[in-house]
Amino acid sequence: EIVMTQSPVTLSVSLGERATLSCRASQSVRSNLAWYQQKPGQAPRLLIYGASTRATGVPARFSGSGSGTDFTLTISSLQSEDFAVYYCQHFNIWPWTFGQGAKVEIK
Amino acid sequence: EVQLVESGGGLVQPGGSLRLSCAASGFTFSRYAMNWVRQAPGKGLEWVSSIRASGVGTFYADSVKGRFTISRDNSKNMVYLQMNDLRAEDTALYYCAKDCYDSSAHLDEGTWGQGTLVTVSS
Repeated sequence: EIVMTQSPVTLSVSLGERATLSCRASQSVRSNLAWYQQKPGQAPRLLIYGASTRATGVPARFSGSGSGTDFTLTISSLQSEDFAVYYCQHFNIWPWTFGQGAKVEIK
Repeated sequence: EVQLVESGGGLVQPGGSLRLSCAASGFTFSRYAMNWVRQAPGKGLEWVSSIRASGVGTFYADSVKGRFTISRDNSKNMVYLQMNDLRAEDTALYYCAKDCYDSSAHLDEGTWGQGTLVTVSS
């Protein structure tokens, strides 16, 4: 199975600052990559699919890039509601696999 | 509006069985593969099982192979997960998820339900 590795595991960021999260696949997943945001007690919320397409209703400050094995989620200016855990996931083939999660916390 | 609503979770003893259901609406259900993903308390996300749009072709995580069975009824817009021989490590929130590709390989937005909780304990 494809192993998805996220870095960093924890990111401390101040309000208004830029946050950059990375996700690496152990083999190419082309552009079949999604990013999710999860807050405590809530289901994961889809942010990005197809590596760079924002899901419906997702603010423009969220952007995704990359293809093949290396991907990035960027939050251009962190808002208070963005502090959460973020997961990457490939959907290139079954089994889907997920990164271990990256927590974005207040600095 | 695309919607997925899971049901059927609950408390079950080790070795017991449960059947999860997922009701889909707002999209052409028969054109999409469907998936189950779970999240154990305080842990990350784990893919469990998938079924192709036609229902022919099913896939399972090694951790559930031989114990879980995924199925669908395209006439009712429903997908199911029959879970047998449940273990403590199966305790999790189970999410139903629509695939990102339709049967014509057109990329579309994936959607997840809110989940149903399965607790395996004596």
